[in-house]
Amino acid sequence: EVQLVESGGDLVQPGGSLRLSCAASGFTFSNYWMHWVRQAPGEGLVWVSRINGDGSSTNYADSVKGRFTISRDNAKNTLYLQMNSLRVEDTAVYYCARDRDLYPWGQGTLVTVSS
Amino acid sequence: QSALTQPPSASGSPGQSVTISCTGTSSDVGGHNYVSWYQQHPGKAPKLMIYEVSKRPSGVPDRFSGSKSGNTASLTVSGLQAEDEADYYCFSYGNNKNVFGTGTKVTVL
Repeated sequence: EVQLVESGGDLVQPGGSLRLSCAASGFTFSNYWMHWVRQAPGEGLVWVSRINGDGSSTNYADSVKGRFTISRDNAKNTLYLQMNSLRVEDTAVYYCARDRDLYPWGQGTLVTVSS
Repeated sequence: QSALTQPPSASGSPGQSVTISCTGTSSDVGGHNYVSWYQQHPGKAPKLMIYEVSKRPSGVPDRFSGSKSGNTASLTVSGLQAEDEADYYCFSYGNNKNVFGTGTKVTVL
């Protein structure tokens, strides 16, 4: 079964850092682009970042460029999102998803940025 | 990176059809066929319903269909059922731009 499981969400103060993880199973992880998508409370889905199969190509939404870094460890079948200089407006559930069709999705992990 | 435009809400009675639009530009929706649709129930992760404009993943009922004309993609739910009540989002995947729609809440009356 193809499965994605996010972890690492927490309560962090503005200006702080956090690293999210997404553990993949049931497919050849290194063959796929992977994405991070977020959803603020009561709001819609927002695409955050993507990375290609070998990690050599990345893209970011303007709202996180320069603060967030996407990476992957294909030996561990794990996707990461390093989030620095966190802002209150980064508060959201963060999902990882596979490939251009965003299938499947993980269950999400909650990041709360608050003092 | 402006969001694609969807109507905030749509509704229909059981058995009726509802169509949701997703309007972008020639740089996203109109520029390729990588438009997908997701269903999200409260407190749950989104679920892929349509990919590449009109293709249905295994397990998705054929009541769900997708199409595209110019810069606007559409999702139609035929034969509405109570479990179809949810939020729906379109997504455009491109080499230089990845963007979701604003979302549409579908209510089954």
